Amino acid sequence: QTVVTQEPSFSVSPGGTVTLTCGLSSGSVSTSHHPSWYQQTPGQAPRTLIYAINTRSSGVPDRFSGSILGNKAALTITGAQADDESDYYCVLSMGGGLWMFGGGTKLTVL
Amino acid sequence: EVQLVESGGGLVQPGGSLRLSCAASGFTFSTSWMTWVRQAPGKGLEWVASIKRDASVKYYVDSLKGRFTISRDNAKNSIYLQMDSLRPEDTAVYYCAKWTYSGTYFWLEYWGQGTLVSVST
Repeated sequence: QTVVTQEPSFSVSPGGTVTLTCGLSSGSVSTSHHPSWYQQTPGQAPRTLIYAINTRSSGVPDRFSGSILGNKAALTITGAQADDESDYYCVLSMGGGLWMFGGGTKLTVL
Repeated sequence: EVQLVESGGGLVQPGGSLRLSCAASGFTFSTSWMTWVRQAPGKGLEWVASIKRDASVKYYVDSLKGRFTISRDNAKNSIYLQMDSLRPEDTAVYYCAKWTYSGTYFWLEYWGQGTLVSVST
């Protein structure tokens, strides 16, 4: 079975830039997978960050951006801030009405 | 303001059943796809099931098919998740969320705060 892959963890310095990716164990991510990104801090519900590849949800700062990079969807944070320290999840359409989340990336800002 | 409020979680013994509810407000519920997503303690998000606006189409993650049933009542602006034959590995926070479709892309636009289900003796 194809699974959605994300880096388990990533670290970025305050003010730095980091790109998190969302791939498939088999194949390439494309627009047909409807990639979207969600941020979650401990004890809180997920918050929608990016949808339709690169559209920011309401209220999301413009330091967050989305793209397709090579064969993966990507979430880039430019000018990372301390409160960006969170878990980040992508979700992809796997076809046939089925969806799958990636395992999530724990981002540390230090 | 959009609100999704889950309820019905709690402690249940293995093999038992539980029915979760999600009450929606602030948007046109009857035209919206809805979904359940769960998160086991310390783990990532897992898509569980989705239901079309008129309940004519339902999708489930393969691993739960047959034990969980998603449904909705558009008159009550609510969706439900009937969970049967519960196992300890079903212990999780269960989130209700609204799909939005732009005509090209789907995404989860709104989320509830979740309800905790614990399966244990």
